Amino acid sequence: RKEVEQDPGPFNVPEGATVAFNCTYSNSASQSFFWYRQDCRKEPKLLMSVYSSGNEDGRFTAQLNRASQYISLLIRDSKLSDSATYLCVVNRAGNNRKLIWGLGTSLAVNP
Amino acid sequence: DGGITQSPKYLFRKEGQNVTLSCEQNLNHDAMYWYRQDPGQGLRLIYYSQIVNDFQKGDIAEGYSVSREKKESFPLTVTSAQKNPTAFYLCASMELGGRTNTGELFFGEGSRLTVL
Repeated sequence: RKEVEQDPGPFNVPEGATVAFNCTYSNSASQSFFWYRQDCRKEPKLLMSVYSSGNEDGRFTAQLNRASQYISLLIRDSKLSDSATYLCVVNRAGNNRKLIWGLGTSLAVNP
Repeated sequence: DGGITQSPKYLFRKEGQNVTLSCEQNLNHDAMYWYRQDPGQGLRLIYYSQIVNDFQKGDIAEGYSVSREKKESFPLTVTSAQKNPTAFYLCASMELGGRTNTGELFFGEGSRLTVL
C-alpha cells in the first residue's frame, strides 16, 4: 500500500460544479499536509496548506481528518482554469525534506 | 523577480553519456531538492541539500550525483549508470528557517531529458 493514496480520476465536471478530492495517508506520524496543483507538463505549485482546523481560500476548502488519516480538497463553482492535476503531499516526522507525494487526481472542467 | 531557473528545458542524450542539469535560485533558500517525475508515478526524491557543501541521498540516488558549492546552485548530473534516465526532472527549493518556514516548495520549470 502506498503511503499517500489518491483517486487518479479523471474527474470530469461541468463549469460551476462542486468537486471534492480525498487523499489518505498511512503514517500516523505525519505532521503537515499540502495540496499542490500541477498543470500538464508544468511544475507543481502550492495551492494550499492544510491546517488541523480546516482552511478556506476563496473557492477552495481543505480539511484534515487525523482520526481517519485523510485530507480533502473541495472546489466550489469550478472554472475551466481549474483543470489540472491536484497532488496531495504529506510531510512525515515533521522534517520538511521527507515530503511524500501522491500520484495526483486529474480534474477536467468542461464548458 | 525571485525564482528558480532550470536549464536546459529539453535535452536529448545518447546512451552512455553523462549530462548535467542546472538549477539556480535567487530566493536565498537554504534547502534545495531534485525530484524525478515519471508518468503514473509520484515525484521521487533524488538528492537534497540543506546547507552549502552538504547533501544527502534521496530515495532514488543511484546513477545521479550533485554538488552544492554555492547556496544558489545545485546542479544534477545524470550519469551513464542511471538505467532509465528518460524523465522529467524538477528542482525545488525551500526556506528552512524559523517563522518563514511554511513548508512550501518552490519549483523550477523542469528539465525534460530523453535518452535516445
